[in-house]
This record gives sequence, C-alpha cells and structure tokens, in this order.
Amino acid sequence: QKEVEQNSGPLSVPEGAIASLNCTYSDRGSQSFFWYRQYSGKSPELIMSIYSNGDKEDGRFTAQLNKASQYVSLLIRDSQPSDSATYLCAVLYGQNFVFGPGTRLSVLP
Amino acid sequence: SAVISQKPSRDICQRGTSLTIQCQVDSQVTMMFWYRQQPGQSLTLIATANQGSEATYESGFVIDKFPISRPNLTFSTLTVSNMSPEDSSIYLCSVFDSGNTIYFGEGSWLTVV
Repeated sequence: QKEVEQNSGPLSVPEGAIASLNCTYSDRGSQSFFWYRQYSGKSPELIMSIYSNGDKEDGRFTAQLNKASQYVSLLIRDSQPSDSATYLCAVLYGQNFVFGPGTRLSVLP
Repeated sequence: SAVISQKPSRDICQRGTSLTIQCQVDSQVTMMFWYRQQPGQSLTLIATANQGSEATYESGFVIDKFPISRPNLTFSTLTVSNMSPEDSSIYLCSVFDSGNTIYFGEGSWLTVV
C-alpha cells in the first residue's frame, strides 16, 4: 500500500511569517511530487511539482525534496491571509497519483 | 495545462435517484480519473476512465454504483446510481497530461436528501 502522510493541522501562522508544510511518502521508487492548494468550496489547483533532490523556488513558494528521507516539503514565505487553504501533497507512482490527507493552513492577519 | 469543464457544478438530489456528471476536456487526453472528496476528507480515487476500454475501479467502488463512460479522448461521464445521503460529496474529474501532471475540473457538488 503506497501511502502519503501529512499533518492534518490546522497550522496557524501570522501574516508575513514562513509557513512550513511537510509530507512523507512510503515508496522509494517515487519520482514525481506535487503540491496542490484547495480553497474551501473549490477544486485542487497545482502549485508546484518537484522531481529532483533539493529546492525548487517559484515566487513565494519553495518545494524541497529529500528522497533519501522520503519527504517533501513546501515553504510559503511572507504568508498572506489569501494563502489560507488546505494543501495537498501528491506522489506519482507509475501512472497513479496518491494524495495525502492535506494540511489546513490558516494565516492570521 | 488542460481546461476541464464539469457539469453540473452543483445539485441537490433525491434519495434513490441517479445523476450523471459530465466532464469535457479541451484537448485529447489518454487518462481521465474520477475522484470523490467527502466533506472534510481528502481525495479518493473512484476509477480510471480509459478510452475504448472498461474503466478500472479502485477497491470499494463498483461499476453498478458508479458506471463510467469514455466515448472519446475528450469526454467522460460518471453516474452516481441509487444515491443515498452517504453519496453527498464533491466529485472531481481529472486528467493526466503529457507533462505527467494531474489537473482537476471545477468539481460537482452533490447533496443527497
């Protein structure tokens, strides 16, 4: 059983702080990793994908991948109230996506 | 990325009835997926819809309850049959694009009363 785990939260951070979201996965053979954001009442939208060890930056978002430790994280710098949402980690196994349970982030003004 | 349209976006259904959700993609895609997201829960894969063959269902989901059609490379339907309140969920159509990324439609919010 391929699993993806996340802390369900809620994770609360003050506006302007760095939000750190973590995800672990069970299968070392995984090659592709994704972060989705889901606002309440909306469908998930892709934020970032990462395939290689290390960091990948896109604006205020940085994805970090450590395959040896089987974790992937998402950092959100200068968090804004508009970042308040559920963040889903997804891992691609072959042609099957497995989603984590999501972490609910609340950015407090 | 593909543009995915779902209909209906929202519906209130009577217990025991069936509802068909349509998913239209603006480009040809090989793999389409149907997910369910129950209130406060994460995404659960119902089935993979492959053009020209039977859908592949995940454990806990059966064709009699969730029949799926995939007549071509841009369209699929999911029917939720004989609905009960436990079927109240968001149903999401998604596609697997050439960049090995999955994208979602806007979702269909079903409430069964």
